[in-house]
Parts: sequence; C-alpha cells; structure tokens
Amino acid sequence: DGGITQSPKYLFRKEGQNVTLSCEQNLNHDAMYWYRQDPGQGLRLIYYSQIVNDFQKGDIAEGYSVSREKKESFPLTVTSAQKNPTAFYLCASQKGPGGVLTFGAGSRLTVL
Amino acid sequence: DQQVKQNSPSLSVQEGRISILNCDYTNSMFDYFLWYKKYPAEGPTFLISISSIKDKNEDGRFTVFLNKSAKHLSLHIVPSQPGDSAVYFCAASDRFQRNNAGNMLTFGGGTRLMVKP
Repeated sequence: DGGITQSPKYLFRKEGQNVTLSCEQNLNHDAMYWYRQDPGQGLRLIYYSQIVNDFQKGDIAEGYSVSREKKESFPLTVTSAQKNPTAFYLCASQKGPGGVLTFGAGSRLTVL
Repeated sequence: DQQVKQNSPSLSVQEGRISILNCDYTNSMFDYFLWYKKYPAEGPTFLISISSIKDKNEDGRFTVFLNKSAKHLSLHIVPSQPGDSAVYFCAASDRFQRNNAGNMLTFGGGTRLMVKP
C-alpha cells in the first residue's frame, strides 16, 4: 500500500532542543510539503520541495529547516530558534502541479 | 491576514439532515478550491474539489457550490451521517502558484462538524 509515513506520532522535548520529524513516501510523488496545524488556525505552510535537492520556504519557515536528499524523504527539523514549536505537524506529497495533496497521519510535538 | 476563512468553528446537525459548511476567500486569484476532511490524530483526506469555471460539483452525498462574485463556497452533505463527524478544511490555490511554485494550498481554519444520531 502506497502512502506517507510520519514518525514519531508523538514527541516530547525540552525547550532549547532541536528535534527532527521524519516523513517518508512511497507514492513516487515529486513534491513534498510540511504544514503546521494550530487550533483554529488551519494549516500553515512551513517548507515545500518540488524536486530532490531543492526546497523553498513557506509562510512560517523561521525556526525550521528541511532537506530533500532523496525523492522519498523530506525530514523537518524544529530548531531551538522556533519560538512556539508545540503543534501538530503534517507532511504531504503531490504527484505533480495541480495534483491533490496526500497527507500523512501527522506528528504531535510538545515542548516542555 | 487570512485569505481563506471558515467563520463557523463548529456545527452540530442531526443524522439524516443536511450539513452546510461555509468558506469565504479574499484573493481573487484563487481559481481552484478543495475540501478536506480530518479525523483526530490523522492527516486530512481529500473530499471534493471545484474549479472556478464551474459553480457546482457533486460527488455522491457531497456537493460543493462556488459563488465567485461573493468569493464564497459551501459544502453540502446530504444526508448527514455520524461518520461524517470530523473537522472540514476549505483550501484554495491559484494558477500562478501552481505553475511556478507547486500546488501550495491556502487553508481555512476548519469547521468541526458533529452529526448526532
């Protein structure tokens, strides 16, 4: 079964620590996205990548970093510079321009 | 400034009745609209979409209506079922984004639908 796998599902970290959220897809999709969900604010775009070794900042990229070394993988690092990192993070992929986004199940990060 | 707004954070409907979820947008460049459904602790799943060249798209119990002059779209679910209880997100994109920066979607804040048996 093709899909998107995000891990871990739940993550607790102390303030000041960097954390990396994993996103892997076996759909052979070209584009991948990271969104953040906060209550009442919908989904906000953090970073996106249309092809391997290339990625672009979204609306709220500050305090985050990504890499796209392989087509299947698009990990997100939440750095200590992110002022309010506690949130639900969603990874998505898309076959090509105009295609529907397919989402993973999400990772909930709580910073203590 | 939110370009896509869902002004009702929640909606409660009796099973078998119609559910109407509303969405307003401000960016006149948006020309493609989607609805996603999300259960707790899961990722959103695509439900239905509509292009700006149409004013209605239907798929089974789900119909999306688009009023371009009012910059308003709505999702109708008839008849509503308890399994429809979820958060519904409206999303939009524009052709420039799709041609130059991938299909980035702008999402609304979501409406939580509760269908009571």
